[in-house]
Amino acid sequence: AQKITQTQPGMFVQEKEAVTLDCTYDTSDPSYGLFWYKQPSSGEMIFLIYQGSYDQQNATEGRYSLNFQKARKSANLVISASQLGDSAMYFCAMREPYTGTASKLTFGTGTRLQVTL
Amino acid sequence: SQTIHQWPATLVQPVGSPLSLECTVEGTSNPNLYWYRQAAGRGLQLLFYSVGIGQISSEVPQNLSASRPQDRQFILSSKKLLLSDSGFYLCAWRPPSRGDEKLFFGSGTQLSVL
Repeated sequence: AQKITQTQPGMFVQEKEAVTLDCTYDTSDPSYGLFWYKQPSSGEMIFLIYQGSYDQQNATEGRYSLNFQKARKSANLVISASQLGDSAMYFCAMREPYTGTASKLTFGTGTRLQVTL
Repeated sequence: SQTIHQWPATLVQPVGSPLSLECTVEGTSNPNLYWYRQAAGRGLQLLFYSVGIGQISSEVPQNLSASRPQDRQFILSSKKLLLSDSGFYLCAWRPPSRGDEKLFFGSGTQLSVL
């Protein structure tokens, strides 16, 4: 069974500093995908970044980068130069193995990030 | 461009009343569609998904059901709501092709069962 673990229920970071949000996963499938989503107080889920299990390089999207350590089964999100608008819940997710039907994502419990002045 | 619409945004219903939440996607064909529920302060739990009209897969046995009467329409229903059905419900879609992995989410429905 797939499992995603986010051990930090809450994090604080000062504006303009970098912050790392932890995510570990467990799967026996060699092919998988890892995602990070942001959920502001409005509730919508905003896609941030994706890493495929066979990707050789860590994914980057603007101020977001994914620190992918396959042997340790970790996929930490790094946000550089934090902004007040980054305050939100952040969810790590993993695509379950393909079974011939729809691709499904399993989500972690999330980390609430608060950016302070 | 593709858009997803989900309504209503908030809903307060008494225990035992019926439920109907609707989700539609525009600008794409044959999307994979999903219903997730998020309990307060928790992660997302997949409830149902669909790969085509009339094709519904249930992930968690419960008081809810889903239907897909049209290609881009996904409906979440209940005949009699329970207190435990309260939560934040999110509809999502993704293209049917295997290469595009990410889900696109609607704005969600906050359901309170009293």
